[in-house]
Amino acid sequence: KQEVTQIPAALSVPEGENLVLNCSFTDSAIYNLQWFRQDPGKGLTSLLLIQSSQREQTSGRLNASLDKSSGRSTLYIAASQPGDSATYLCAVLLGGFKTIFGAGTRLFVKA
Amino acid sequence: DAGVTQSPTHLIKTRGQQVTLRCSPKSGHDTVSWYQQALGQGPQFIFQYYEEEERQRGNFPDRFSGHQFPNYSSELNVNALLLGDSALYLCASSLWGAISNQPQHFGDGTRLSIL
Repeated sequence: KQEVTQIPAALSVPEGENLVLNCSFTDSAIYNLQWFRQDPGKGLTSLLLIQSSQREQTSGRLNASLDKSSGRSTLYIAASQPGDSATYLCAVLLGGFKTIFGAGTRLFVKA
Repeated sequence: DAGVTQSPTHLIKTRGQQVTLRCSPKSGHDTVSWYQQALGQGPQFIFQYYEEEERQRGNFPDRFSGHQFPNYSSELNVNALLLGDSALYLCASSLWGAISNQPQHFGDGTRLSIL
């Protein structure tokens, strides 16, 4: 059974700091891994998608890496801003197209 | 280009009642997935619809059922509501043929409260 774990559960950092969010999964048989952002009471916004054959993806200040063999992904946020405060979720797409999410990391960036 | 739309935004029901939630996918998408998100948790996969058929199902009881219409929109029905069904219900759409290399798009969800 696929399990997705995110560490840390919560994180508070001062503005301008670079930070890393971690995601691990137990079964490497995935189609892709996605990172999402969720603001309170809102839906999910896709940030980055890494296909199983890829190692990383970048978008602006965000960089996500994928190591299937070790079952790990990291989301790197450069020069954090108060507007980055949100919950960050990672999710893996399995065979049969079922998506499994982690519980998320709640990020607070202090001005 | 309209994104994923869900209705209603909020709903209050009592135990034992039945509820129907609705979702219209992003233009050009043909696949709809439903998720339940309890407070402080990640979304849990309920089921997925493509070509008006349920293609995948998560670990949810038969009280949870769905439907997809020819225009790709979808409904989630929950019967015999329990207090534990209180959650944010999210709908996501995607394109079946590109599901492994294109992101799912999510609506803002329906907040269901059971009294």
